[in-house]
Amino acid sequence: NAGVTQTPKFQVLKTGQSMTLQCAQDMNHEYMSWYRQDPGMGLRLIHYSVGAGITDQGEVPNGYNVSRSTTEDFPLRLLSAAPSQTSVYFCASSSFLADTQYFGPGTRLTVL
Amino acid sequence: KQEVTQIPAALSVPEGENLVLNCSFTDSAIYNLQWFRQDPGKGLTSLLLIQSSQREQTSGRLNASLDKSSGRSTLYIAASQPGDSATYLCAVPSDKLIFGTGTRLQVFP
Repeated sequence: NAGVTQTPKFQVLKTGQSMTLQCAQDMNHEYMSWYRQDPGMGLRLIHYSVGAGITDQGEVPNGYNVSRSTTEDFPLRLLSAAPSQTSVYFCASSSFLADTQYFGPGTRLTVL
Repeated sequence: KQEVTQIPAALSVPEGENLVLNCSFTDSAIYNLQWFRQDPGKGLTSLLLIQSSQREQTSGRLNASLDKSSGRSTLYIAASQPGDSATYLCAVPSDKLIFGTGTRLQVFP
């Protein structure tokens, strides 16, 4: 099992550009989530999904969009990048919210 | 509202010491509690998940205990090694996963 994979590992964007962060898991997990991690702020939940076709907002959803067309994939879209979105982004998956969470290696995003 | 705190925030110890990391939560009605480690520049790795009905869970040199009534969990690391250097986080599920503030551990040779 590859576990949870994220691409790209690093990305630099200019303000106003859009991009998609990819997340995939091969464990047949229903629950997937996206976090951002900033110094001194800990992990903050952006969006989550409890199964294919179902998504919901977390604590900091503004400026981000998600979809879940398959169980395996949960991409995160930045609609119009802003410097405030400079962060490290982690995707996680589990069978359900309270089960063991598996995290991806992260994407380090810089917005200039 | 569930709040999770960890003390100490940072810890630096020589190799070989036995360590105790603390995690406190305000709402004792938890389903379970997870301990994670995060190495610099990496994602989180789940270490132990302890169910609300359990008192202890062990994996190798790690032992996690849970006392729901007092709102506390401890992670015991036996015979610490430099490879244990990382940030350790606890988390409890609520409407989302609530993470603790973390303990940054450095074990020096």
